[in-house]
Amino acid sequence: GAVVSQHPSWVICKSGTSVKIECRSLDFQATTMFWYRQFPKQSLMLMATSNEGSKATYEQGVEKDKFLINHASLTLSTLTVTSAHPEDSSFYICSASRDYTDTQYFGPGTRLTVL
Amino acid sequence: DQQVKQNSPSLSVQEGRISILNCDYTNSMFDYFLWYKKYPAEGPTFLISISSIKDKNEDGRFTVFLNKSAKHLSLHIVPSQPGDSAVYFCAASTPSGGGADGLTFGKGTHLIIQP
Repeated sequence: GAVVSQHPSWVICKSGTSVKIECRSLDFQATTMFWYRQFPKQSLMLMATSNEGSKATYEQGVEKDKFLINHASLTLSTLTVTSAHPEDSSFYICSASRDYTDTQYFGPGTRLTVL
Repeated sequence: DQQVKQNSPSLSVQEGRISILNCDYTNSMFDYFLWYKKYPAEGPTFLISISSIKDKNEDGRFTVFLNKSAKHLSLHIVPSQPGDSAVYFCAASTPSGGGADGLTFGKGTHLIIQP
């Protein structure tokens, strides 16, 4: 149990375009979903926390207008990178938890490359 | 400022021996700690966690020790197996159990198990 999927697993796009990444909890309902970003050989950095039906809470330094997060249901959260630029190229990972006492279960990640 | 530190970027251990991965933290508000295992281009996989009310938690070959006064925790793997070769991330959370707040990760330690 507690499986989280992400789609797509990798995406290449042109600079200036927008990319949507989906995060789904397959066998449980996720009250909270998180989005992380990892640069090569770096730690995972929390970008934002989203609770179903509420606006996402962004970490300091993360542009909320650039990284749009929607958590419309208990099993789906989406991250949209708007007007992507090469510096947005990174590995994006989501996680989900059932409630505040639960641990976080991570998705397999999405490799974004912006040309 | 790195609130969770893993000072060893890599560690090489002989198969069958004990692997000890270390983690230090600076934020005294952290009260829940987790260890994740990660392969390249994949999401982290949860291994084991410990609450600050405990000083040891054991699960099979994995044991996590917490020294609150030193703000230090360690992951022991015994005996080490070739399949344990991966990057191990230490993560910490402020009061909630990890499910409601984003995690703060260390930079990871690359464990290499040698035959």
